[in-house]
Amino acid sequence: DAKTTQPTSMDCAEGRAANLPCNHSTISGNEYVYWYRQIHSQGPQYIIHGLKNNETNEMASLIITEDRKSSTLILPHATLRDTAVYYCIAVRTGANNLFFGTGTRLTVIP
Amino acid sequence: GAVVSQHPSWVICKSGTSVKIECRSLDFQATTMFWYRQFPKQSLMLMATSNEGSKATYEQGVEKDKFLINHASLTLSTLTVTSAHPEDSSFYICSARKTGADTEAFFGQGTRLTVV
Repeated sequence: DAKTTQPTSMDCAEGRAANLPCNHSTISGNEYVYWYRQIHSQGPQYIIHGLKNNETNEMASLIITEDRKSSTLILPHATLRDTAVYYCIAVRTGANNLFFGTGTRLTVIP
Repeated sequence: GAVVSQHPSWVICKSGTSVKIECRSLDFQATTMFWYRQFPKQSLMLMATSNEGSKATYEQGVEKDKFLINHASLTLSTLTVTSAHPEDSSFYICSARKTGADTEAFFGQGTRLTVV
């Protein structure tokens, strides 16, 4: 599975959009981009995933560049409860297990 | 969404004893489940893949005789930490994924093990 690179930490003001970048320059054509988050002392929570098209659900939007070498997770209106570590993971089609990197620690500030 | 449940949420045990952690998929069948370990301020590290009806597959550096995994049914996998020592204190998390090309993985709430 392709390696992903994320900033170590980010801050975001409450109510503003949080844009979390992820670099996956070695991603292959059959690898999806998945985003999970982990709130302190809890199991990871699925957010969203995509292959090449932009995706949106009730939690977030995922913007994938045309060359698929990077993506951005957007939380449109961050709340204090969005404070967590966000993981971007490239997962090969049909693969079962996930390998987590270090993620981005997002802190939403009042 | 699908739910994966872990039990217990936390456990304290004496050094030298064994501890069993259960992972259940509540509304779907999982032929494969995964066990992770997470130390403070670190990321999740995959320990092993639990396969229903067959032996688990362990990641490099994980002792299979110390971390016993049993996956006796399509909805239950157990991890037993045998002869626990203080260095085994950690946050243990399981996950399961529905069968399919691009389905998300669901994670349990984790089990915090403290060995004293």
